[in-house]
Amino acid sequence: AQSVSQHNHHVILSEAASLELGCNYSYGGTVNLFWYVQYPGQHLQLLLKYFSGDPLVKGIKGFEAEFIKSKFSFNLRKPSVQWSDTAEYFCAAGATTLFFGTGTRLTVIP
Amino acid sequence: GAVVSQHPSRVICKSGTSVKIECRSLDFQATTMFWYRQFPKKSLMLMATSNEGSKATYEQGVEKDKFLINHASLTLSTLTVTSAHPEDSSFYICSAHPDGPPNYGYTFGSGTRLTVV
Repeated sequence: AQSVSQHNHHVILSEAASLELGCNYSYGGTVNLFWYVQYPGQHLQLLLKYFSGDPLVKGIKGFEAEFIKSKFSFNLRKPSVQWSDTAEYFCAAGATTLFFGTGTRLTVIP
Repeated sequence: GAVVSQHPSRVICKSGTSVKIECRSLDFQATTMFWYRQFPKKSLMLMATSNEGSKATYEQGVEKDKFLINHASLTLSTLTVTSAHPEDSSFYICSAHPDGPPNYGYTFGSGTRLTVV
């Protein structure tokens, strides 16, 4: 069965700290992987996506993610977070249909 | 870029009434659109896949007769919550991707906050 797991429910960081959010997936067949962000009061926006090729994917706002097939993981990283990164982050996997993780709330303290 | 418009953004209705939510792809065609429900402190749950010109595909546990989906054109899908009850109060989000290469990715509407009183 398809599923996506995000193990960090709430992460609190100070500005300039490094960020890594975990995402593991279970999916049969070729999988596309995504990270979405939902800022307070706003709708979901795509941060980055992986379809094939270079497993290190760079997205918007300085975010990147690495696809490790052997670990079924697609962790999101950012070297130095800002207060404006405070949001809910969702990992998703799928082909024609997306399945979402439970989300990770990131709070960045100025 | 691809834009999905969802309307209304907020709606309050009385228990027992029906509410229609629209999802439009503004600058692309989408044979397939998706309806999600977001529970507080939980993830987005896929409710159904809307297919233009044919019946929607519902996920297990989603009542077809309660959540009516119509995908009458390549740019419009509607979700009607029939005989709404307070437990139907939630945040509903639609998404779509263009009928082109998958590299376009998925675009989400801004969501509809439904409150049933």
